[in-house]
Amino acid sequence: ETGVTQSPTHLIKTRGQQVTLRCSSQSGHNTVSWYQQALGQGPQFIFQYYREEENGRGNFPPRFSGLQFPNYSSELNVNALELDDSALYLCASSLGQGSSYNSPLHFGNGTRLTVT
Amino acid sequence: QKEVEQNSGPLSVPEGAIASLNCTYSDRGSQSFFWYRQYSGKSPELIMSIYSNGDKEDGRFTAQLNKASQYVSLLIRDSQPSDSATYLCAVQGSGGSYIPTFGRGTSLIVHP
Repeated sequence: ETGVTQSPTHLIKTRGQQVTLRCSSQSGHNTVSWYQQALGQGPQFIFQYYREEENGRGNFPPRFSGLQFPNYSSELNVNALELDDSALYLCASSLGQGSSYNSPLHFGNGTRLTVT
Repeated sequence: QKEVEQNSGPLSVPEGAIASLNCTYSDRGSQSFFWYRQYSGKSPELIMSIYSNGDKEDGRFTAQLNKASQYVSLLIRDSQPSDSATYLCAVQGSGGSYIPTFGRGTSLIVHP
């Protein structure tokens, strides 16, 4: 069973730039969720995708956008980067809808984004 | 606004003791409850899930759920230095939502 993989592991960008983070879901999972985790804080929900459709969105501005592909992999795009966007970005896959709300999240190793 | 509250700690316990981690949540309709362990610089790792009132045991870990009090806890018996990590409580499942809300986590330090 292949787990959740994220790329890149680390990234350094300049304020105002754009970034794309990638995630491959665990085999058999159809739902991908993205979280932002600042230092010392819990993960904050950005959005969730189920079968290529956005299934929910947290309190993040529109410059945070995403995609899910037919193979259930996903991208997170952030435009006009700000210093406060520096954080660990976590992708998690799950069975989600069509299965059970009991399905827990399985996280990738994360992408550490630093904005200077 | 669904909220999940955890004491940020740190909670310091001696090796071999029982560590007790607590979590309260605001959404009375929540259905699923999870505990994740997160080592410094790493991603969260699922260690326990619980869905009905009462206790659930898995090795040295016991999760306790009281929906009436909107309270979930994690007990770690025979704590080891390797248990030193941040423990995240996640609550999910009200109104058809499959999106868990996380607490800020409790830092646990197990000292030899």
